[in-house]
Amino acid sequence: EDQVTQSPEALRLQEGESSSLNCSYTVSGLRGLFWYRQDPGKGPEFLFTLYSAGEEKEKERLKATLTKKESFLHITAPKPEDSATYLCAVQAWDSGGGADGLTFGKGTHLIIQP
Amino acid sequence: EAGVAQSPRYKIIEKRQSVAFWCNPISGHATLYWYQQILGQGPKLLIQFQNNGVVDDSQLPKDRFSAERLKGVDSTLKIQPAKLEDSAVYLCASSLGGIGTDTQYFGPGTRLTVL
Repeated sequence: EDQVTQSPEALRLQEGESSSLNCSYTVSGLRGLFWYRQDPGKGPEFLFTLYSAGEEKEKERLKATLTKKESFLHITAPKPEDSATYLCAVQAWDSGGGADGLTFGKGTHLIIQP
Repeated sequence: EAGVAQSPRYKIIEKRQSVAFWCNPISGHATLYWYQQILGQGPKLLIQFQNNGVVDDSQLPKDRFSAERLKGVDSTLKIQPAKLEDSAVYLCASSLGGIGTDTQYFGPGTRLTVL
């Protein structure tokens, strides 16, 4: 069974204070690891997909990295508008060579104080 | 490009009543997913459609939940009868369904409260 564990559950930072969010995973055959951002009352918003260990992707103040067992979302000099819940999810290959649905972690609730 | 549309946005019902949710995916997306998100948890997959066929419904409580995707476009998810533990946000997502990049895009969700 695929599993995703995110830590910490909640994180409060001062504006400009960089940090990292962790996503540990176990999956039968990794098709992709996804990071989403979710604001209150909204659906998850896609950020990144990582496919293989060593891969990195960046978007504005966010950088995602991937190893064989975990992924990190690094936030550099965050601003209050970066406050949200960040969700990590894995997608496995199905038996027919297609894609399974996503298995999500519980998320990290990030608060950036001005 | 229009995103995934869902309705209604909010629904309050009594336990043992029935309820239905509607989803219109992004145009051209072959794969459609329904997820359940309980407060404080990540989304959990309920059912996955490829065009109008079911690919995975292993986590769908089939004694009370049903879903269909007519003509491979819109989809409805029904709960009958509802229980208190069904209170959650129901998210619809869609993807192109190709072998390569297969990003899922989510709608705003329907928040269900069962009293």
